This record gives sequence, C-alpha cells and structure tokens, in this order.
Amino acid sequence: GENVEQHPSTLSVQEGDSAVIKCTYSDSASNYFPWYKQELGKGPQLIIDIRSNVGEKKDQRIAVTLNKTAKHFSLHITETQPEDSAVYFCAASSGASNTGKLIFGQGTTLQVKP
Amino acid sequence: GAVVSQHPSRVICKSGTSVKIECRSLDFQATTMFWYRQFPKQSLMLMATSNEGSKATYEQGVEKDKFLINHASLTLSTLTVTSAHPEDSSFYICSARDSVGSPLHFGNGTRLTVT
Repeated sequence: GENVEQHPSTLSVQEGDSAVIKCTYSDSASNYFPWYKQELGKGPQLIIDIRSNVGEKKDQRIAVTLNKTAKHFSLHITETQPEDSAVYFCAASSGASNTGKLIFGQGTTLQVKP
Repeated sequence: GAVVSQHPSRVICKSGTSVKIECRSLDFQATTMFWYRQFPKQSLMLMATSNEGSKATYEQGVEKDKFLINHASLTLSTLTVTSAHPEDSSFYICSARDSVGSPLHFGNGTRLTVT
C-alpha cells in the first residue's frame, strides 16, 4: 500500500521568511496530493492540493510542486506570518482507484517567530 | 465550501461504557465518509470508510466490533466506541467529500477521554 514520508518534523522560521516542507510517496498509482493545516484541537483544513497531471500550483503565498518521476511533492509558503504557525500534513491518495482514501505524512510543526 | 460537522467536540466517559460520535455533512450529500484517529503529536490514521446504506470497510488492525460505524443517511455517519477503555482515548476525526474527485473536508474532531 501507499506510504508517505514527510520532512522535516519541525521547522522554525523568522516572520517573512519562506518555509518548505517535503514529502515522498511510494505508490506510483497515487494521483492526488493535498496539504492540510491543523491548528491545536481542531480538524485538518485543506490549504492546497495538486493532481498528478500538474507539476505546480500556486494560491497566493502557498505553492505546491510535484515531481512524479521522483515521487515527491513539496509545500512552499512565502512571506510567512505568525498565523501560519500550525502542524502541516501532506497526504496522498491511496492508489488510483479514486476511493477518496488518504494516507498522511507524519506532520510538520511550523513555528513562525515574530 | 463543503462543511463537515462533528459532535460532540469533547467527551469523557468511564471505562466499559460506550460513546457515540456523530459526523454530518451540512451542505452536501456524502455517500462516503471516512473516520480517522489521531494520537497526540502523531499523524492521522484511517480507521474505516463509511458507506451509506452498506457496511463500513475497516482498515487492517481496526476491530469492527469495537468501533461500530453506521451511515444511515447521506448526511450522517456515526462512530460508536463500544466498551471503551483508557487506551481508546484519542482524537477522532471524520471527513467527507461532496463528489467523486473533490477534496476531502474534515470535521473539527472529537476528543475522547476514557477514565
């Protein structure tokens, strides 16, 4: 089955700097890769997603890149703000069957220092 | 956007009792909902896929008799933790999507504490 590895586990940046979180996946049949932001005591919130037919997607300060050949994808946050501090999870769809099942990475705790 | 509501947000129960958690899709119909479990400072682990009108599909290692799932309507799935024990204490989160291929949206989770 699918396995998703996420790095780093913690990331501390200064306000205004960029943050990059990387994930690798194992199942070449996976075709959907969302990123979620989770604040303490809350459920994950979708912030951006990408499908395997696209190499890059951007939404304001957030961008995601996908390298299908290498089976890795990354989240880029520019001009970080203290409110970006949270736990971020990458995920991959479980194969290409479009069942909706997601396999999550281990999570990255992002701290943005004012 | 799609909104998923979960209730209760917190529950404390005594060991041996059962607890029911509700997951509702507020502005869309969901034929499929997913139940996840999250231990402190860990990732989300898929427990089961809830299918409207049919039996849930459980992931390997998840006891179906312990975690009863009922998806009786297109907007409601329930997870019942039966004969709860302290090791069942966790954060339970449901998710749903409004159509095939659309993103999964998550509820705000239920913090279960078994004393």
